[in-house]
Amino acid sequence: GAGVSQSPSNKVTEKGKDVELRCDPISGHTALYWYRQSLGQGLEFLIYFQGNSAPDKSGLPSDRFSAERTGGSVSTLTIQRTQQEDSAVYLCASSLEFGSYNSPLHFGNGTRLTVT
Amino acid sequence: AQTVTQSQPEMSVQEAETVTLSCTYDTSESNYYLFWYKQPPSRQMILVIRQEAYKQQNATENRFSVNFQKAAKSFSLKISDSQLGDTAMYFCAFIWGGADGLTFGKGTHLIIQP
Repeated sequence: GAGVSQSPSNKVTEKGKDVELRCDPISGHTALYWYRQSLGQGLEFLIYFQGNSAPDKSGLPSDRFSAERTGGSVSTLTIQRTQQEDSAVYLCASSLEFGSYNSPLHFGNGTRLTVT
Repeated sequence: AQTVTQSQPEMSVQEAETVTLSCTYDTSESNYYLFWYKQPPSRQMILVIRQEAYKQQNATENRFSVNFQKAAKSFSLKISDSQLGDTAMYFCAFIWGGADGLTFGKGTHLIIQP
């Protein structure tokens, strides 16, 4: 596609429910990143993928968070047993290659998650 | 650990004025990259300008330019002839070769008044 696509755009869920957030990166981009943006805060790095593998998952806030990427393309961020503090905008980005000046990140419009 | 600090939570200027957004960072690395991203109400992060640390020449992109002071670890963004469409959150970001991803500051909310 022309840009990074995230779905849903907005998600309201009840505390304790599981949610899945989807990211469809730009075609051909090997690196994919997930960030969390809480109100009044900067972007908190969660995880990145090189192809289908995530070398370091230590940025995930808790073991309720998991992410996967299949086929080197679409990625899913799953939050189990959601809590109110999980409410935030979850941004996905992709780049042609990882960590390169010449491969800037392209961001999607994010998913606004509200846990009630 | 790498940190990025944006000390101005909010700024407001009149249309056509020049405004400078400040950013400082802390790192022990010698080679890294710095970026400014803009986030309008649509939420999409848009790359504004980027700078390689080993280049002494300040980057410019039309009305946007940076003042990169490596010794002071400062990377400010200057917007000339500001326009209403420049109203957005602006984030300073940093990456180095061994990092997991971009490290962002907390942002500056820039408001351009008509």
